[in-house]
Order: sequence, then C-alpha cells, then structure tokens
Amino acid sequence: DTAVSQTPKYLVTQMGNDKSIKCEQNLGHDTMYWYKQDSKKFLKIMFSYNNKELIINETVPNRFSPKSPDKAHLNLHINSLELGDSAVYFCASSQDHRDPGTFGSGTRLTVV
Amino acid sequence: LAKTTQPISMDSYEGQEVNITCSHNNIATNDYITWYQQFPSQGPRFIIQGYKTKVTNEVASLFIPADRKSSTLSLPRVSLSDTAVYYCLVGDNYGQNFVFGPGTRLSVLP
Repeated sequence: DTAVSQTPKYLVTQMGNDKSIKCEQNLGHDTMYWYKQDSKKFLKIMFSYNNKELIINETVPNRFSPKSPDKAHLNLHINSLELGDSAVYFCASSQDHRDPGTFGSGTRLTVV
Repeated sequence: LAKTTQPISMDSYEGQEVNITCSHNNIATNDYITWYQQFPSQGPRFIIQGYKTKVTNEVASLFIPADRKSSTLSLPRVSLSDTAVYYCLVGDNYGQNFVFGPGTRLSVLP
C-alpha cells in the first residue's frame, strides 16, 4: 500500500487553464503538506494543513489553493496556470509538526 | 528563517564512509535539523532528524555541534544504491517554514 499517493503523475496543460492535483495518505497523519520543486531542484513548502489550520507560505500566489475534503486528503487547485508554474509538486504528510513529512512520488506539471 | 548551504556534489567509492556537512548559521532556537534522500523521479525520503549532539539510526548518524550552526550527515560504508541527492532541512517546531537546502548530489563509484 502506498502511504502517500498523488494523481496524476504527469500533467501537461496550456497556459490559463485550471487544474487540480489530488493527494491521499493512509498513514492516519493529522498534517498534510504541498511542496514545489523547481527545475533547479530547490524544494520549498507551499502549504501545511491540519484539521485546525491552514498555514500558507506567503510567497505562494493566491492562484494556488489547497482543499481538504477530509483528514486523509489534501488536493491542490491551481487557477490560471502560468509557464512558471511548471515544476514537480509533492504532497507529504506527518504526525509530528516537527517532521517535514512522508512524501508522495510527485506530480510533474508542465505548462505550455 | 534559517537558510542552509551544502556542497553541490560529492564523489565516493563503495565501502567508504561519507560525511556531508550542512551550514545553517541562522538556525533558530526551536529549529530541528532533518536530512532527506531523493532518488530521480521519486519524492524525498526521511533519513534522520536531530536537535543537538549526536543521533544515530540504522542508516546514518547526525552530528550537531554545540553552536548548532552546522550539521554533518554520516553514511557508513556506502554502496552504489546510495547514489542520490541529500537535502539538509531546518524547520521550526510549528513546521511552518521548512526550508530545504540546495542538496548535495552524492555519486558512489564502484
């Protein structure tokens, strides 16, 4: 069983479109995250979320929005996609707020 | 918000001990230090975490000096399968500002 799973694995879309990436964890963790890894391999946190609060990295454009239907899921919605949004997006989850998380295998988003 | 610096790349041979050092001069009192390993086309995988002194688990050791301005990940007797990118990460105890360093690409040669 995959602990943290993301879909799709690859996503190619045109500028201006709206897309979503889904994430599910079966670890029973309370906190989930979204990270972005750019072409230079820098990995930066975008959001952390548990059932109590959403913490947003202030550098993330408001075109990005996480949505959590329940504790096991944290989906990432992106509106009006731009070329610069092309990257690998990782979902992660953790039980301990000190833990950056157990990561999924990533979604490679390419905006053309 | 602590920032980290690591060597961009390192080479080693099978069976050797590898030490990768990360600098985090602005580490805050509440920050923990975590190391991750990443293989191509995979998500990062947790290796070890520590706050001070030394931590050891089944795959690695983490050495943190008293001033906590740096940390060293030690991999004993590396194998070819240890070829990967290793990230040093510092984060506060609320998990709000995890900042991954640029990573060190370790190449293990036969």
